[in-house]
Amino acid sequence: GAVVSQHPSRVICKSGTSVKIECRSLDFQATTMFWYRQFPKQSLMLMATSNEGSKATYEQGVEKDKFLINHASLTLSTLTVTSAHPEDSSFYICSATLKGSPSGEQYFGPGTRLTVT
Amino acid sequence: KQEVTQIPAALSVPEGENLVLNCSFTDSAIYNLQWFRQDPGKGLTSLLLIQSSQREQTSGRLNASLDKSSGRSTLYIAASQPGDSATYLCAVGGGADGLTFGKGTHLIIQP
Repeated sequence: GAVVSQHPSRVICKSGTSVKIECRSLDFQATTMFWYRQFPKQSLMLMATSNEGSKATYEQGVEKDKFLINHASLTLSTLTVTSAHPEDSSFYICSATLKGSPSGEQYFGPGTRLTVT
Repeated sequence: KQEVTQIPAALSVPEGENLVLNCSFTDSAIYNLQWFRQDPGKGLTSLLLIQSSQREQTSGRLNASLDKSSGRSTLYIAASQPGDSATYLCAVGGGADGLTFGKGTHLIIQP
């Protein structure tokens, strides 16, 4: 149980284009979904927190107009990287918390590797 | 702002040894602490979660402890195997908050 999927797993796009990444909780309803990114040889950094039906909360230094997050249902959140540039190339990972879970454990997706050329 | 530090940054040991990875954090007001492993180019595999009210958790050869008041956690790996080679990440936070990750310990187990 508690499986999170991400699509696509890898994407290559040209500079200036937009890319959408989907994060789905497959077998549970997620109270909250989180988006992280990981640059090469660095650790994961939280980008934003997303609750169903609400606007996402972005961490300091993350541009909300560049990284658009939509959390339309309790099982789906999307991250759209708008006007992507090479410096946006990174590993993007989402996680979700199980609705009503007392442990607050986050279940992570497999990640999406974005390369902007 | 929460900061998480992991020591050592890298570790290489012969197969069969027991080893300890360390994690410290600056703000003790955490919901939980999670240990993950990450293989090169891959996502995260959750190893253990310790809720803030707990002191330790065990899974197979792994044991994690938490001393919230001193802001410390350790991950103990018994009888290490080459398949244990990976980067181990400690993360704190949880609940409605995102996780703050350490930079990880890069572990190599020599056959």
